[in-house]
Amino acid sequence: NAGVTQTPKFQVLKTGQSMTLQCAQDMNHNSMYWYRQDPGMGLRLIYYSASEGTTDKGEVPNGYNVSRLNKREFSLRLESAAPSQTSVYFCASTMPTAHYEQYFGPGTRLTVT
Amino acid sequence: DQQVKQNSPSLSVQEGRISILNCDYTNSMFDYFLWYKKYPAEGPTFLISISSIKDKNEDGRFTVFLNKSAKHLSLHIVPSQPGDSAVYFCAASASLAGTASKLTFGTGTRLQVTL
Repeated sequence: NAGVTQTPKFQVLKTGQSMTLQCAQDMNHNSMYWYRQDPGMGLRLIYYSASEGTTDKGEVPNGYNVSRLNKREFSLRLESAAPSQTSVYFCASTMPTAHYEQYFGPGTRLTVT
Repeated sequence: DQQVKQNSPSLSVQEGRISILNCDYTNSMFDYFLWYKKYPAEGPTFLISISSIKDKNEDGRFTVFLNKSAKHLSLHIVPSQPGDSAVYFCAASASLAGTASKLTFGTGTRLQVTL
């Protein structure tokens, strides 16, 4: 049981470049999430997917798109990276009902120059 | 508007003593609260949670207290150990029928347990 996996672990982009962050979970969870963590800001929700086939915006969705490829996989795409998107990105998953704790991946550290 | 606040960015405690981490919230719709622990270069891991129908939940060395009238919760670690040194995040969620469990996080408190 790998839990939640994320690729890549590190990435450096130039302004304007695009990339996709990959996330997969093997716990048969229905709901998946993307967060970003910035110094002094805690974790902020970018997008989430309550179940396969649905996605919704979180607190800070601008500049990002997501795809729920299947029950296991939830990807985050930056179409035109900006320095303000330099951050650590975490994927998480949980069971579908409220109040189940979320399980987090190890994170992707992204730097946009 | 920060709905979940952790006003102490850092805390230093001696090994064996009690660590008390605090968290305040403003949204009265929050009815479930969680604490996460995060080591450098790792994802947050779930530590302990409490429902708003309770005022205390205990798990080994970790106890969470909830004061709904004050919109305040705290995490007590007794006794503190060097391995507890990490960043602790408070998080809250509101029951909304038909939606995924969305968490709102505080900014974190860095705990250092010294020998």
